[in-house]
Amino acid sequence: TQLLEQSPQFLSIQEGENLTVYCNSSSVFSSLQWYRQEPGEGPVLLVTVVTGGEVKKLKRLTFQFGDARKDSSLHITAAQPGDTGLYLCAANTGGFKTIFGAGTRLFVKA
Amino acid sequence: SQTIHQWPATLVQPVGSPLSLECTVEGTSNPNLYWYRQAAGRGLQLLFYSVGIGQISSEVPQNLSASRPQDRQFILSSKKLLLSDSGFYLCAWNRRDSSSGNTIYFGEGSWLTVV
Repeated sequence: TQLLEQSPQFLSIQEGENLTVYCNSSSVFSSLQWYRQEPGEGPVLLVTVVTGGEVKKLKRLTFQFGDARKDSSLHITAAQPGDTGLYLCAANTGGFKTIFGAGTRLFVKA
Repeated sequence: SQTIHQWPATLVQPVGSPLSLECTVEGTSNPNLYWYRQAAGRGLQLLFYSVGIGQISSEVPQNLSASRPQDRQFILSSKKLLLSDSGFYLCAWNRRDSSSGNTIYFGEGSWLTVV
């Protein structure tokens, strides 16, 4: 069974702090996505990474795909209260199915 | 651009009653379609996926069923709801080819409370 393990499960930080969220697996994936979800809404795509070692930046968010395409990280610089939400990683093995991690719930205090 | 819409957004149903959640995708053709369920604040469990009209694959045995009567329409149903069917249901789609990295796009979600 392919699993995506996210850590930490929960993170509460002060505005302005930096943080990193991890997504790990023993499987190799053809692509990996990061989503952000707010309560009562569907997940919204942040980024898709497809190449081992790839680094993508989205304003204060930096995403990295591991060289072996088994893991990924999301780093947020100078977190803001608007960054609060559930961050989900998802991965596809090349077929129709995409698997999801359990998520990291981030709370940024003003 | 492509859009996905599902409804209703919220519903409260008694145990034993039927269920019908509907999802439509606009702006694309031949999409793969998915139904997920999410426990409160947690990850997503794939329930059904469809690669074409009338083609449904079930991932977990359960009290629910899915149908795809049209290319861009996906319906989640139940004949008799159980308390354990309560949850947040998400419809999603992605392209048939892998040009987008198999990225999945989600609808707004439907909160179901079975009482």
